[in-house]
Amino acid sequence: AAGVIQSPRHLIKEKRETATLKCYPIPRHDTVYWYQQGPGQDPQFLISFYEKMQSDKGSIPDRFSAQQFSDYHSELNMSSLELGDSALYFCASRSRGPNTEAFFGQGTRLTVV
Amino acid sequence: RKEVEQDPGPFNVPEGATVAFNCTYSNSASQSFFWYRQDCRKEPKLLMSVYSSGNEDGRFTAQLNRASQYISLLIRDSKLSDSATYLCVGGGSYIPTFGRGTSLIVHP
Repeated sequence: AAGVIQSPRHLIKEKRETATLKCYPIPRHDTVYWYQQGPGQDPQFLISFYEKMQSDKGSIPDRFSAQQFSDYHSELNMSSLELGDSALYFCASRSRGPNTEAFFGQGTRLTVV
Repeated sequence: RKEVEQDPGPFNVPEGATVAFNCTYSNSASQSFFWYRQDCRKEPKLLMSVYSSGNEDGRFTAQLNRASQYISLLIRDSKLSDSATYLCVGGGSYIPTFGRGTSLIVHP
């Protein structure tokens, strides 16, 4: 079965650079979530999209932006990177409905040096 | 206060033991609950959904107690391969909200 695909799997950037993370949800899933997980932390919700529109916003810094495209893939754009942005970034998708599970991609490990 | 709270552990148990984790949630409007398993540096993987009537899958049993606002996960006959972090997911909104995770270490 198709899963959530994220790219790249690993990314190393320098401070003040920009990064773009991509997420391809499971086919027919209409909702995408982005999470940031720092070392030893639980995944923190950043932002979500439903049917290509931003639906909820969590603790996403102003330096970050995201969008969902017509083919439902989503991109997280991160600018002016800081050392503290180093984390595992997960994308999850689900189909909206009662008691539906979210499925996660393998994540992008971002290291800012 | 976090919407979903868990005891981070670690729970250190021998093979074959039975271990139980609890997770409390603060939003009484929460409808959907799940347990995910996360191995080190990997993505969370769905372990099981938690239904009002409970849910059992092999050695794993999940229960929901709405009156006390907690969900539980029981693992029987622990295996070495059960060692992982177990994340409780709930939330009143439609956003999967994670607890901090409970670390389980199963030793020989």
